[in-house]
Amino acid sequence: GAVVSQHPSRVICKSGTSVKIECRSLDFQATTMFWYRQFPKQSLMLMATSNEGSKATYEQGVEKDKFLINHASLTLSTLTVTSAHPEDSSFYICSARDQSKRVLGDTQYFGPGTRLTVL
Amino acid sequence: GNSVTQMEGPVTLSEEAFLTINCTYTATGYPSLFWYVQYPGEGLQLLLKATKADDKGSNKGFEATYRKETTSFHLEKGSVQVSDSAVYFCALTISNFGNEKLTFGTGTRLTIIP
Repeated sequence: GAVVSQHPSRVICKSGTSVKIECRSLDFQATTMFWYRQFPKQSLMLMATSNEGSKATYEQGVEKDKFLINHASLTLSTLTVTSAHPEDSSFYICSARDQSKRVLGDTQYFGPGTRLTVL
Repeated sequence: GNSVTQMEGPVTLSEEAFLTINCTYTATGYPSLFWYVQYPGEGLQLLLKATKADDKGSNKGFEATYRKETTSFHLEKGSVQVSDSAVYFCALTISNFGNEKLTFGTGTRLTIIP
């Protein structure tokens, strides 16, 4: 089946530094990728929709200058948390949409997530 | 807005027990409903789905029926196995093809003991 990888799986950084998280679709092309954030015991919250070759679309309340998204190719999207602070500590999950599929709900494949801890 | 409420976990059952994980939703529009499963160290995987009222989604022995009258999509399995231990997410979307935004529940951690 379709595989989506995320790197790194876990990162610990100091407050004020920037952290880049990569999301790759390994065996399919994805013009659209989604970035989610999950707090403990809470649901996945959509942060932004990443579109290859164009600007990302951010959900209401998500700071686009804080969470920079770059979707430079059909298989790679990156999320950069700029000047990270402890409140940015969370579990970040990406999904990639297989553009060749046309069945509702069967098109998103999820990465395993990245645990970010900001000290 | 759209929201999904599912029973809080964790849920611990013995092998071969009957499983129910409740899920209810609110939506502006006519949603499609999904159950995703996340095994340890892996990404979420689509387990089953239903796109209209009274549809029953099924996969790997799991079932869920789209109940419009009660706005519910409860997940059931008649006899669970240790390998079913995972986190289960109920979700909905009312988006069309091309930009399927999913709204998730909080997830329910299921542990099956031998």
